[in-house]
Amino acid sequence: SYVLTQPPSVSVAPGKTARIACGADNIQSNSVNWYQQKPGRAPMLVISYDNDRPSGIPERFSGSHSGNTATLTISRVEPGDEADYYCQVWDSRSEPVVAFGGGTKLTV
Amino acid sequence: DVQLVESGGGLVQPGGSLRLSCAASGFSVSKRYMSWVRQAPGKGPEWVSIIYRGGKKDYADSVKGRFTISRDNSKNTLDLQMNSLRADDTAVYYCARSGDDDFCFDLWGRGTLVAVSS
Repeated sequence: SYVLTQPPSVSVAPGKTARIACGADNIQSNSVNWYQQKPGRAPMLVISYDNDRPSGIPERFSGSHSGNTATLTISRVEPGDEADYYCQVWDSRSEPVVAFGGGTKLTV
Repeated sequence: DVQLVESGGGLVQPGGSLRLSCAASGFSVSKRYMSWVRQAPGKGPEWVSIIYRGGKKDYADSVKGRFTISRDNSKNTLDLQMNSLRADDTAVYYCARSGDDDFCFDLWGRGTLVAVSS
């Protein structure tokens, strides 16, 4: 199983760069997804497969993955980026294992 | 429009049952992996169950033996039959679509709230 650890909160000034980390003991071979969730809304995929941006997601959002840590980077942060962010991994080689992190509240 | 709309949530007593439904539009549920993902108040999402394109089904350990996922290709809907409900099943339940062969949830419904309480 996977236990994904995220910082509970990150604060950043508008226009600056926010970095949100996601760590676990055993994710070096897994792809990591990132979701943004605003209050009262469903999660929205913002990064898949470590660093792919789905259609419609601004280039300001990027991802990286090295060893057992993945990082979501948001450049030129805007007030509208304020939200909870969750990392997620999966393993479907046998019975599927899908894990989400505990979430990071980004305050702008 | 490509969207998912859940229904069927509500208040149920411990030990009771509830059936959730998810109506898809703009794509065929039979052609994608379709999952239920839930989120307890103040917590991160938790994957619950998946039905693959070929019809095979998988479940999280926390719901195995109690929940059953199904789909109706003619109606383009996804269902979740929940039995023996417990207080820790209380959550917003989302219907979610993922990629052809992965668990990247690229489309979510708005969710339906299930509250298990006496």
